[in-house]
Amino acid sequence: GENVEQHPSTLSVQEGDSAVIKCTYSDSASNYFPWYKQELGKGPQLIIDIRSNVGEKKDQRIAVTLNKTAKHFSLHITETQPEDSAVYFCAAGIGNNRLAFGKGNQVVVIP
Amino acid sequence: NAGVTQTPKFQVLKTGQSMTLQCAQDMNHNSMYWYRQDPGMGLRLIYYSASEGTTDKGEVPNGYNVSRLNKREFSLRLESAAPSQTSVYFCASSEGLYTDTQYFGPGTRLTVL
Repeated sequence: GENVEQHPSTLSVQEGDSAVIKCTYSDSASNYFPWYKQELGKGPQLIIDIRSNVGEKKDQRIAVTLNKTAKHFSLHITETQPEDSAVYFCAAGIGNNRLAFGKGNQVVVIP
Repeated sequence: NAGVTQTPKFQVLKTGQSMTLQCAQDMNHNSMYWYRQDPGMGLRLIYYSASEGTTDKGEVPNGYNVSRLNKREFSLRLESAAPSQTSVYFCASSEGLYTDTQYFGPGTRLTVL
């Protein structure tokens, strides 16, 4: 089955700096890559996604890039703010009606 | 819209006891999912239901059963709880395809002693 890995497990950044989280996946047939944000005590929430026919997608301060050849995709958060502190999960989907999630990254934004 | 609701929010069981976790969605979604979240393990799929009347095993189905009662409700049952089932359980729903956004409930924190 699909195996998704995230790096680093914990990331601390100064407020206003950028944060980058990278995920790798194993199945070259994967074609859908969402990112979910989980705040403390809540369920995960989709923040951005990308499909395999697109290399980059932006939504205000967040962006996702996909490198199909290397089988990795990254989440970029610019001008980080305290409310960006959360756990971020990447996932990969290959059409069997389910997603394989990574183990999550804890992002801490230091004021 | 309430979105995805889960009951109970917290539960403590003794080993061997049984219980059912309830999930309901009001978004008229076709697909529903049960995940467990353990420290350092991320989200792991237990069971899912692609549409009313169908259920399929996910990554970690052992020790669990599910029922898609109707389009709105998807329950998860632990017949004989074990300490290894101590976890936070999330229910989610999506319109249908795996490329559709999954909407998660607030979770149930279960402790098995």
